[in-house]
Amino acid sequence: SQTIHQWPATLVQPVGSPLSLECTVEGTSNPNLYWYRQAAGRGLQLLFYSVGIGQISSEVPQNLSASRPQDRQFILSSKKLLLSDSGFYLCAWSVGVYNEQFFGPGTRLTVL
Amino acid sequence: GQQLNQSPQSMFIQEGEDVSMNCTSSSIFNTWLWYKQDPGEGPVLLIALYKAGELTSNGRLTAQFGITRKDSFLNISASIPSDVGIYFCAGVIQGAQKLVFGQGTRLTINP
Repeated sequence: SQTIHQWPATLVQPVGSPLSLECTVEGTSNPNLYWYRQAAGRGLQLLFYSVGIGQISSEVPQNLSASRPQDRQFILSSKKLLLSDSGFYLCAWSVGVYNEQFFGPGTRLTVL
Repeated sequence: GQQLNQSPQSMFIQEGEDVSMNCTSSSIFNTWLWYKQDPGEGPVLLIALYKAGELTSNGRLTAQFGITRKDSFLNISASIPSDVGIYFCAGVIQGAQKLVFGQGTRLTINP
């Protein structure tokens, strides 16, 4: 069966510091991978998605970047965090034509 | 871009009551998905719908793919405390690699 991991689970970082969040998927090959951000009490905002190694599509111009160095690894990064980068970051994967997405447990990021 | 209008935004009900929520759009979708999110966790897929008119159940949950392919509803029968959470609808447009999400319905249950 497929599983998706995200780490860390929680993170508190100062403004201006770098960021690296990691997502890995097990039990499937060549998945589509997604990064979302969710503000408190709000909906899901798609940040990036990837249909293959090295292929990244950006949905919202911002202070973040994404990379996919391996088939089942997706990384979200920032060189300098802003207060507005605080939120709940979710990774998801999908395979097949129907695009049902399955989410990881999330990372709670607080920028102070 | 495409938008999904999900309603109601919030619901306050008594335990045992039935719940109904829906999503509508001006766009046609090929797939409708319903998710539930518990506090501090990622959304979990509840039901997936693939054909116009399709009616699918998962325990006390029932969802339907609208005939026009522009809407979907989710019903929960005989609500229990563990049904508390935020429910999201999501749609897939043919050929798209991403989902369009509704704004969510926050369900609160009074015991």
